[in-house]
Amino acid sequence: AQSVSQHNHHVILSEAASLELGCNYSYGGTVNLFWYVQYPGQHLQLLLKYFSGDPLVKGIKGFEAEFIKSKFSFNLRKPSVQWSDTAEYFCAVNHNNNDMRFGAGTRLTVKP
Amino acid sequence: EAGVVQSPRYKIIEKKQPVAFWCNPISGHNTLYWYRQNLGQGPELLIRYENEEAVDDSQLPKDRFSAERLKGVDSTLKIQPAELGDSAVYLCASSLAGGNQPQHFGDGTRLSIL
Repeated sequence: AQSVSQHNHHVILSEAASLELGCNYSYGGTVNLFWYVQYPGQHLQLLLKYFSGDPLVKGIKGFEAEFIKSKFSFNLRKPSVQWSDTAEYFCAVNHNNNDMRFGAGTRLTVKP
Repeated sequence: EAGVVQSPRYKIIEKKQPVAFWCNPISGHNTLYWYRQNLGQGPELLIRYENEEAVDDSQLPKDRFSAERLKGVDSTLKIQPAELGDSAVYLCASSLAGGNQPQHFGDGTRLSIL
């Protein structure tokens, strides 16, 4: 079945560590890719998105993601995490401008 | 701009009872989505509206779930009768038209079935 896979269920890092969260999808054709973040007690918010152009996209709060078409991947990165980055992160794929699917999410805990 | 507004925030009911959720999208957003999010999982699409038309309801359990978006603005999602497995967070989101448009989410309604 077509799906969006996030490899890590829970990631624990110390402040200043580098972060990479994996996201793979199994759709062919046109895809629009998103990362959303949900801070504790808040609603889902857009972190960044890709739909065309430079495959390396930059989002808010120092996050970036790279679209690698050959690997069907859209991994999220941040060079140095902060305690305030503690949240749940969701990868989402919109397929053929129509069908939106979310991954199961990765919970990030940053230790001060 | 005002965000997506959902009510209620929490709802506790006994099984077999009806329940309804309400959503007011961001002004000007033609597209409205209802999602269900189970614990430890990502949101799963239930229904998508373009204006007042339901264009994707393939994942909506139509035997007990219904939704409407009269006048293409506010929307309600109803469950009747509720079952234990319906316990989840129900999210509403809205966006401008187009698959590359980001969705804006409400705070959700957490439903607990006793």
